[in-house]
Amino acid sequence: GENVEQHPSTLSVQEGDSAVIKCTYSDSASNYFPWYKQELGKRPQLIIDIRSNVGEKKDQRIAVTLNKTAKHFSLHITETQPEDSAVYFCAATLTGGGNKLTFGTGTQLKVEL
Amino acid sequence: EPEVTQTPSHQVTQMGQEVILRCVPISNHLYFYWYRQILGQKVEFLVSFYNNEISEKSEIFDDQFSVERPDGSNFTLKIRSTKLEDSAMYFCASSRALGGETQYFGPGTRLLVL
Repeated sequence: GENVEQHPSTLSVQEGDSAVIKCTYSDSASNYFPWYKQELGKRPQLIIDIRSNVGEKKDQRIAVTLNKTAKHFSLHITETQPEDSAVYFCAATLTGGGNKLTFGTGTQLKVEL
Repeated sequence: EPEVTQTPSHQVTQMGQEVILRCVPISNHLYFYWYRQILGQKVEFLVSFYNNEISEKSEIFDDQFSVERPDGSNFTLKIRSTKLEDSAMYFCASSRALGGETQYFGPGTRLLVL
């Protein structure tokens, strides 16, 4: 089955700096890669996703890149703000079957003033 | 904006007891999921459900677990005989369709088995 590795497990940046979180996946058939943000005690909320026919997607300060050959994808947050502090999870799935999302282990992002 | 809702928010039970966790998916969604998250760990898939049957289930989803859509709005997860290791946050999710559609998560039910 699919396995998703995520790094780093914790990331501390200064406000205004950029943050990058990286994930690798094992199943080359996976074709949908969402990123979720989870604040303490809250539900995971989708912040951006990318499908396998696209190499990059951007939404304001957030971008995701996908390298299908290397089987890795990354989340980029620019101009970080304190409210970006949360745990970020990457996930991967092959759509069309059970749609099972396989999550990475999470990255605790802390944006310091 | 419509959201997935779950009840109860917290549930405390004794080991060996049955629990039913309830979810109301977003109304025009057709695909439903249960995930769990043990404290401090990643979110793990349990089961997906479409057209009144299970589409896929994980190794975690053994004979102690069952899911049901008893009416047009609710989606339930039953744990028949709870174990200590079932203590976790259980998230329900729903999506409108397959093909990379976003899965929207509910707020979760915190289950504590004593």
